[in-house]
Amino acid sequence: DQQVKQNSPSLSVQEGRISILNCDYTNSMFDYFLWYKKYPAEGPTFLISISSIKDKNEDGRFTVFLNKSAKHLSLHIVPSQPGDSAVYFCAASATYSGAGSYQLTFGKGTKLSVIP
Amino acid sequence: DTGVSQNPRHKITKRGQNVTFRCDPISEHNRLYWYRQTLGQGPEFLTYFQNEAQLEKSRLLSDRFSAERPKGSFSTLEIQRTEQGDSAMYLCASSLGVAPQVNFGPGTRLTVL
Repeated sequence: DQQVKQNSPSLSVQEGRISILNCDYTNSMFDYFLWYKKYPAEGPTFLISISSIKDKNEDGRFTVFLNKSAKHLSLHIVPSQPGDSAVYFCAASATYSGAGSYQLTFGKGTKLSVIP
Repeated sequence: DTGVSQNPRHKITKRGQNVTFRCDPISEHNRLYWYRQTLGQGPEFLTYFQNEAQLEKSRLLSDRFSAERPKGSFSTLEIQRTEQGDSAMYLCASSLGVAPQVNFGPGTRLTVL
């Protein structure tokens, strides 16, 4: 059973516009959420994270929003650039909830293509 | 470059053979993780070490899989009697501190014929 779901396998966006990548989770024990970016033939690279005590975290062009009641998070990239073209993975952990786990549970990823 | 390194980058083996992968984490990172990624899927957690102690193991880690981190530095992942279903990218990651974000290595791609 997929505890972290990324329902859009792919997304195409024009350069300069906003990219919105979505992620849903089912495990209420998850209390920390991360986004990773992956280029072909490389390992995933950490992008941005958010703790469950916050609803927004921003880092430059990247913003992550968390809606705990809906068990939903999203990654906004503004403005999108061709170099952002990659596979984006949403991940979650139950590190601070008492479970004390450092295991990351990943979604299947969304392939973002930014068209020049 | 002081990132996570993995060797070999590619491994082709025949069914039934044993294989061993090595991971060198970022220096001074006390946590080390192994993940497996198959086509079209996200990385799946296999196991996790804090220093030399193996603290978490996934049910995915069958008896044919064994991981070690003998001196709390590098780690090895061995797969015995490989099966075609073991074909995947094996990712190593490391971290330091209380936050769960990790730094991944480039991975070892295993192909079992």
